[in-house]
Amino acid sequence: KAGVTQTPRYLIKTRGQQVTLSCSPISGHRSVSWYQQTPGQGLQFLFEYFSETQRNKGNFPGRFSGRQFSNSRSEMNVSTLELGDSALYLCASSLKAGGSYEQYFGPGTRLTVT
Amino acid sequence: DQQVKQNSPSLSVQEGRISILNCDYTNSMFDYFLWYKKYPAEGPTFLISISSIKDKNEDGRFTVFLNKSAKHLSLHIVPSQPGDSAVYFCAASADNAGNMLTFGGGTRLMVKP
Repeated sequence: KAGVTQTPRYLIKTRGQQVTLSCSPISGHRSVSWYQQTPGQGLQFLFEYFSETQRNKGNFPGRFSGRQFSNSRSEMNVSTLELGDSALYLCASSLKAGGSYEQYFGPGTRLTVT
Repeated sequence: DQQVKQNSPSLSVQEGRISILNCDYTNSMFDYFLWYKKYPAEGPTFLISISSIKDKNEDGRFTVFLNKSAKHLSLHIVPSQPGDSAVYFCAASADNAGNMLTFGGGTRLMVKP
C-alpha cells in the first residue's frame, strides 16, 4: 500500500508570495492533518480535515488555510509569506477521526522563504 | 506552555544495551500516546502507541510504559541497534480533539557500535 505522498518536496518562495502544498493520504484514510516543523517551535499542529470538513485548527494566523477534496486529498495554502514560514510542512493521514488512531506521516515539503 | 516535554535533548547508548527515552505531559485530558522516530529530511515514522487504560504496550524491541499518576511515559528499546539512531518524538492526543497530536521537543538517540 502506498504511503502518504506530498508535493512538491522542496519549494523556494519570496516574501509576500503565496504557496499551495498538496498531500495525498494513504488509500482509504479519510483524515488528513497538517503540521509545521521548525527548529525553534518543533512540531506544531496546523489543522485537521475529515470528510472535507475542518475539524480542528491550531494556533496559526489566518494566512494558513487548507481544504480537503472528496477523494481525501488535501491542500494547504499560505498567503503573504513571511521569512518565519520557512519550515518543513508535514501531512499525516489516519483511518478515522478521533485520537486513538495512529497517524502516518508523509516525507514533508521543505519550504524556504527568502 | 509545553504540554508535552522531553527533557533530554540527546541520549547516547552502546549497541546492545537498553535505551530509555522519557516524556512528561501536563494535560490530564490526553488519553492516547504515541512514539515516532524521525530521520533528517523524512517524516516521522510511527513506532508504538498506548492508550491511557493500559500501563504497558510491547512490540518487539520496543516497549512503552505509561504512569498516569505521574503523567509520565517512557520508551524502552532493547537491545539498541545503530540503526535506531534518530530523533524520537513522543506525542499525545485527547479523544475530544480529533487527530490533533501535541508533540514533545524530541530526543536525539545515538547508538554507538
